[in-house]
Order: sequence, then structure tokens, then C-alpha cells
Amino acid sequence: DAKTTQPPSMDCAEGRAANLPCNHSTISGNEYVYWYRQIHSQGPQYIIHGLKNNETNEMASLIITEDRKSSTLILPHATLRDTAVYYCIVRVGPGGYNKLIFGAGTRLAVHP
Amino acid sequence: NAGVTQTPKFRVLKTGQSMTLLCAQDMNHEYMYWYRQDPGMGLRLIHYSVGEGTTAKGEVPDGYNVSRLKKQNFLLGLESAAPSQTSVYFCASSYEERSYNEQFFGPGTRLTVL
Repeated sequence: DAKTTQPPSMDCAEGRAANLPCNHSTISGNEYVYWYRQIHSQGPQYIIHGLKNNETNEMASLIITEDRKSSTLILPHATLRDTAVYYCIVRVGPGGYNKLIFGAGTRLAVHP
Repeated sequence: NAGVTQTPKFRVLKTGQSMTLLCAQDMNHEYMYWYRQDPGMGLRLIHYSVGEGTTAKGEVPDGYNVSRLKKQNFLLGLESAAPSQTSVYFCASSYEERSYNEQFFGPGTRLTVL
């Protein structure tokens, strides 16, 4: 599975968009980009995933560059409850056993 | 649906003691996983199971054993606890057939080994 690089920490004002970057320059053609988050002391929570097209769901949007070497998770209107560690994970997608390799992630702090 | 539950939530052991952590899921998932998370680090996979009666080793399996006798339960055992096993343990489960195989996590068990 490809490695990912994320900034260790970011800040965002409440109500503003939070844009969390992720570099995955060694991603393979069959590898997906997944995002999970972990709110303090809780188990990780799935947010979104994508292969090459941009994706949006009720929680966030995922923008993947055309060369697929980087991506950005967007929380359109951050709230205090979005304060968490965000993990960008790259792995082979559907079917079979899928191992999640968690790096250190980005610690997002949303402030009033 | 309760989702993924873990028992106990907290435990303190002395070196050499044994214990079993229980994970239960009510989503009829085929796959189940045990992770550990040390302070300031991401999760690391200990063992996993792709179905009832099957188990396999993950990244850091030494010192742990697992069993999956029933589809809904996945047990993690520590036969002789060591201080290096002080950690937060998370269980997760996932479908096999779903297109993106999202993992659902439990709330964690905080284990301290003295």
C-alpha cells in the first residue's frame, strides 16, 4: 500500500471550510484514497473514499488531483465537533481483506 | 443496532496476568479486526478474521491470541500481560461484499499493565 504524508496539525475557525491535504505520490492505479477521523478517545470513523473522481457525501468532499498524487478533504462548514485527528489512507479497494494502515494523521482544531 | 461493542472499557492488570477482551457486532459483518493504539500514534493491526472459525496475523501479533467461534464475536487474549501491552485496543468489523469495505470501530478498551 502507498504511503501518505499529512501535516501534523491545522487550525480552522468555526463555520469556515477546513481543507486537509494529503500527499500520496506513490499511489498505484488500483488504490483508493480513504479518509477516517478519530475524535478524542473514540474509535475511528469512516468519512469518505474515492478512486479518481471527486466525491461528496453528507460529511465531506474529497478532491483528488488528476495525477492522483495528492488529495484534499474538505469539511465545508467546520464545527467544534469536527475537532479530531484525520487520517488519509491509501489502499486497494473493494473485495477481500483490506488492511488499514494508519499514520499519525492531521490533528484539526476548530476554534470559535 | 448497537454496532460494535467492546468489553471491558477499562482494565488494569499486573505483569504476567491474563485476560480476554470481547468484541461483538450486530451488523452481520464477515470481517473483524483488532487494533492497538499507543499514545500519539496511529492504529496498528494485531489480528483479523475473514469469517467464523478463521483468524490471521496482522502487523503486531506477538503476545496476543484470538478466536472467532461465532460470527458476531471476536475475542482477543493476552496470556501473560507485559507493560509493553499497555495501550488502547480497538475492535472493528466490515462487510466483505460492499464496494468500499468501510470498517466500523468500537469505542475501545483502555488497558494498563503494571
